[in-house]
Amino acid sequence: AQSVAQPEDQVNVAEGNPLTVKCTYSVSGNPYLFWYVQYPNRGLQFLLKYITGDNLVKGSYGFEAEFNKSQTSFHLKKPSALVSDSALYFCAVRDFPSNDYKLSFGAGTTVTVRA
Amino acid sequence: GAVVSQHPSWVICKSGTSVKIECRSLDFQATTMFWYRQFPKQSLMLMATSNEGSKATYEQGVEKDKFLINHASLTLSTLTVTSAHPEDSSFYICSAIPSGATGELFFGEGSRLTVL
Repeated sequence: AQSVAQPEDQVNVAEGNPLTVKCTYSVSGNPYLFWYVQYPNRGLQFLLKYITGDNLVKGSYGFEAEFNKSQTSFHLKKPSALVSDSALYFCAVRDFPSNDYKLSFGAGTTVTVRA
Repeated sequence: GAVVSQHPSWVICKSGTSVKIECRSLDFQATTMFWYRQFPKQSLMLMATSNEGSKATYEQGVEKDKFLINHASLTLSTLTVTSAHPEDSSFYICSAIPSGATGELFFGEGSRLTVL
């Protein structure tokens, strides 16, 4: 079984400050981990993924995430947040190996960056 | 690359009518596509897995006779909401993964359905 938890419904930060969005996961095998961002009335945009290799993954728009196996976490970070980063963020996981490509999504975290 | 197009973006229909939503992978072939439903400020709920050339696999609790899925080619899957009712109003999103890939899904822009 695979699942993801995003413990924070909302994260509020001031522009220019560091942004962190938390995610923890549970899988039977090895995790494939993903972060997506959603703007109002839009689909999901892919930010970054961890499949294997370096624990620190760099993605789009200056975002990065760190895979921590011992803490089963994959927190999303950005050193200096922008107002345009305000959106809904989803963490997702897929168990590997698995027979399908289904992702399990977290509940989502709404990020608000104030000017 | 890896663009998924969804059409229509917005649709309003009368109760009792059927609505078809298309999902196309524009620059890759997709053996598998997924259909999700999203309620306001909530996460995505997987409705079904669409498999090219075979029947869709529906998640528990999803009515297969209400939500008809057809995956006629490697680049097109359609979701038809039959005899729509106001409770079917929602945001529907499709996603696809390139055939043979092991990584991320690519999502369409979503379709907002409003049933009057």
